Amino acid sequence: SYVLTQPPSVSVAPGQTARISCGGNNIGGKSVHWYQQKPGQAPVLVIYDDSDRPSGIPERFSGSKSGNTATLTITRVDAGDEADYYCQVWDRISYQQVFGGGTKLTV
Amino acid sequence: EVQLVESGGTLVQPGRSLRLSCAASGFTFDDRAMHWVRQAPGKGLEWVSGISWNSGSKGYVDSVKGRFTISRDNAKNFLYLQMNSLRPEDTALYYCTRDLRSRPTHGLDVWGHGTMVIVSA
Repeated sequence: SYVLTQPPSVSVAPGQTARISCGGNNIGGKSVHWYQQKPGQAPVLVIYDDSDRPSGIPERFSGSKSGNTATLTITRVDAGDEADYYCQVWDRISYQQVFGGGTKLTV
Repeated sequence: EVQLVESGGTLVQPGRSLRLSCAASGFTFDDRAMHWVRQAPGKGLEWVSGISWNSGSKGYVDSVKGRFTISRDNAKNFLYLQMNSLRPEDTALYYCTRDLRSRPTHGLDVWGHGTMVIVSA
């Protein structure tokens, strides 16, 4: 089955830029979605279709892809951005949604 | 207000069955595909199953195929997950989620608060 690989943790100083990667075979041919999950809360969609932001999500959040890696970028990071972040794609071969293992962002 | 409210989670013995329900409100339910996503304690997200707007397409993660069945009632605005032959590894918080589109192949833009299923003797 399809696998998405994320780093377990990323640490960044306040005001700096955080980049969270998501690797997968031929991910360039898939739409990538990103979720933020804070402790004790349900996940929130922050990026869909590689780089689109749902309404209410700050412009500081952006998504991109290059080669076999998708990246979630968060600029001007603050303490409120501390959370687990998950990438997700649809695998048409298995007809399954797939989540990455998640990345804990520490500010 | 768009809302998804799950119910039905409880403590259940291995091998038993359970049905989860999700009440949807605040949007046109039969416009969207729906999904169940679970999260074991202290673990990451795992997609469990998805269903298209008209129930014509359904998908399952390999570990629940043949044991779980997803369904929906568009007249009542409800999503269901019938879980049979439950195993301890099915223990998790189960989220009901809404797809961005009518087929279960896109991002998930609305999430409920989840209902907890504990499988233990």
